[in-house]
Amino acid sequence: QVQLQESGPGLVKPSQTLSLTCTVSGGSISSGGYYWSWIRQHPGKGLEWIGYIYYSGSTYYNPSLKSRVTISVDTSKNQFSLKLSSVTAADTAVYYCARVFLLQPGLFDYWGQGTLVTVSS
Amino acid sequence: SYELTQPPSVSVSPGQTARITCSGDALPKKYPYWYQQKSGQAPVLVIYEDSKRPSGIPERFSGSSSGTMATLTISGAQVEDEADYYCYSTDSSGNHWVFGGGTKLTVL
Repeated sequence: QVQLQESGPGLVKPSQTLSLTCTVSGGSISSGGYYWSWIRQHPGKGLEWIGYIYYSGSTYYNPSLKSRVTISVDTSKNQFSLKLSSVTAADTAVYYCARVFLLQPGLFDYWGQGTLVTVSS
Repeated sequence: SYELTQPPSVSVSPGQTARITCSGDALPKKYPYWYQQKSGQAPVLVIYEDSKRPSGIPERFSGSSSGTMATLTISGAQVEDEADYYCYSTDSSGNHWVFGGGTKLTVL
């Protein structure tokens, strides 16, 4: 059973960089066959795709966030990470990590529980 | 940027059929995926590639597409189906993915 767990600060100051890590257990990121993704959900709002990464390091980003987002992977730790720079209150959201099939990139099969990140001074 | 449009809310009585639509210009060529999200939980896939149902999803959930519109149908909706439903798909490039705005289904 694959499990994903987000970790990182729950409070970030405006203009700083939000950094989150997703630790994968029960399966290897480097086995291939899947993208690894970040999705966020503003309080009381809908879901927003942030981006995907493949274990090789190939990335796809939401065009609206691309200038501020970096997703990276550390296969040795079986983790992937999200960095979002120059945050504002509008980046306050629950951030989810998830696994998605390489050949069916709309199909998320495993999700983390989500972690709330608040941007506030 | 690419957008998928859903109605904000749909309301039905228990046992009735609920239909949730999703419109997007690339849907004739790109599959929609449907996710159910109950309060405080991560989303769950209910339909993929237009009309396929993952194991464990009740048969009352079905999907269809016609032109630029995809539809999630819940035949004989149950109270436990109350949730937010999101369609998810990609633009014509296949590289940029987007969720619809979500539809709150009320069954009462």
